[in-house]
Amino acid sequence: DAGVIQSPRHEVTEMGQEVTLRCKPISGHDYLFWYRQTMMRGLELLIYFNNNVPIDDSGMPEDRFSAKMPNASFSTLKIQPSEPRDSAVYFCASSLRGNRQGRTEAFFGQGTRLTVV
Amino acid sequence: RKEVEQDPGPFNVPEGATVAFNCTYSNSASQSFFWYRQDCRKEPKLLMSVYSSGNEDGRFTAQLNRASQYISLLIRDSKLSDSATYLCVVIPPGGYNKLIFGAGTRLAVHP
Repeated sequence: DAGVIQSPRHEVTEMGQEVTLRCKPISGHDYLFWYRQTMMRGLELLIYFNNNVPIDDSGMPEDRFSAKMPNASFSTLKIQPSEPRDSAVYFCASSLRGNRQGRTEAFFGQGTRLTVV
Repeated sequence: RKEVEQDPGPFNVPEGATVAFNCTYSNSASQSFFWYRQDCRKEPKLLMSVYSSGNEDGRFTAQLNRASQYISLLIRDSKLSDSATYLCVVIPPGGYNKLIFGAGTRLAVHP
């Protein structure tokens, strides 16, 4: 398996534009996560899905952010309109359901480095 | 209070040194704990799980202290290749795979 695949790897956009980040999880994984990483705030969980259904979106910062998972092999994170403070590395990760103790490993994509100017 | 807190470092140590990182978590009912490693400009990767009785993987030892709500990672005989950021990770109760990351502790091993 190729692992979690994210695109694009880098995105530079102007303030106010719509940005769409894409993720293909590892085949067979039933959990998908979107994280944002900045120097100031570290890795923040934005939203996660189980079997394509959003379970917890409490980390989504504002209504400008939305995420979808139309099927088991694809998810998008959209920012509309984008702002300079959205500049960060956005990671997608996927995992299998954990065991009874919750033990599971999350596999991360290489991330999308977003710069909003 | 943050759910998971770590000393950001950096820890600058010579090769061969022993170094320890601590991490505290706020929810006493949390059940699952991990250490992830992140190299510069790369994605995080699982280093090891942390078990209640403590566990070892080669030069790495992880400990859990539930009473004090902290987790530790000990690295013995540091190598240059250990230079990275070490992320403490907790799954809160009812979290269903929901991984909460600490901000990370940066380690720099020098010759």
